[in-house]
Amino acid sequence: QEKVQQSPESLIVPEGAMSSLNCTFSNSASQSIWWYQQHPGKGPEALISIFSNGNKKEGRLTVYLNRASLHVSLHIRDSQPSDSAVYLCAVSTYGSSGNKLIFGIGTLLSVKP
Amino acid sequence: GGIITQTPKFLIGQEGQKLTLKCQQNFNHDTMYWYRQDSGKGLRLIYYSITENDLQKGDLSEGYDASREKKSSFSLTVTSAQKNEMAVFLCASSMAGNSDYTFGSGTRLLVI
Repeated sequence: QEKVQQSPESLIVPEGAMSSLNCTFSNSASQSIWWYQQHPGKGPEALISIFSNGNKKEGRLTVYLNRASLHVSLHIRDSQPSDSAVYLCAVSTYGSSGNKLIFGIGTLLSVKP
Repeated sequence: GGIITQTPKFLIGQEGQKLTLKCQQNFNHDTMYWYRQDSGKGLRLIYYSITENDLQKGDLSEGYDASREKKSSFSLTVTSAQKNEMAVFLCASSMAGNSDYTFGSGTRLLVI
């Protein structure tokens, strides 16, 4: 059973700073790794995913994946108050019964003006 | 653009009651999911369905039933609500084999 752990539980950064969130998973053969953003009272929304070792950049977001160390990180450059949300790391697993995502507990990010 | 709608938004039930939550999507997505979100425990998969009339159990299926009678809808039944239970139930959908899920806004359950 895949396990996904996230750190820190919460993070407070000033506006304009870099926010760095971490995630570890238990199975190096897992498929893609996803980051979702969840605002209060809303469902999670997919932000960015990565499959191959290395990094992937989209706008202010950069994701780093190291399968050997079972670690993925999300970095938000020039953080804005609107980035304040819970960030969920999710690992895609694929079996005979189809594809499913296993989620971590999340990191609560607060960006202070 | 499409939309995924969960009803009701809020649900107050009594201990032992059978409660049904509904989810509709118009993306024409093949796969639909039900997750439960508790504070401090993240999202846990209850049931998912790869196609119409298919049902697959997740890690938290005990105490729940699900039904996928149409491709566009997926319902979840709490078979016997537990007193003081409080959680958010999230429905999601995706194309087959795709991990880019679209989530609904959730149904907030409180059992008194």
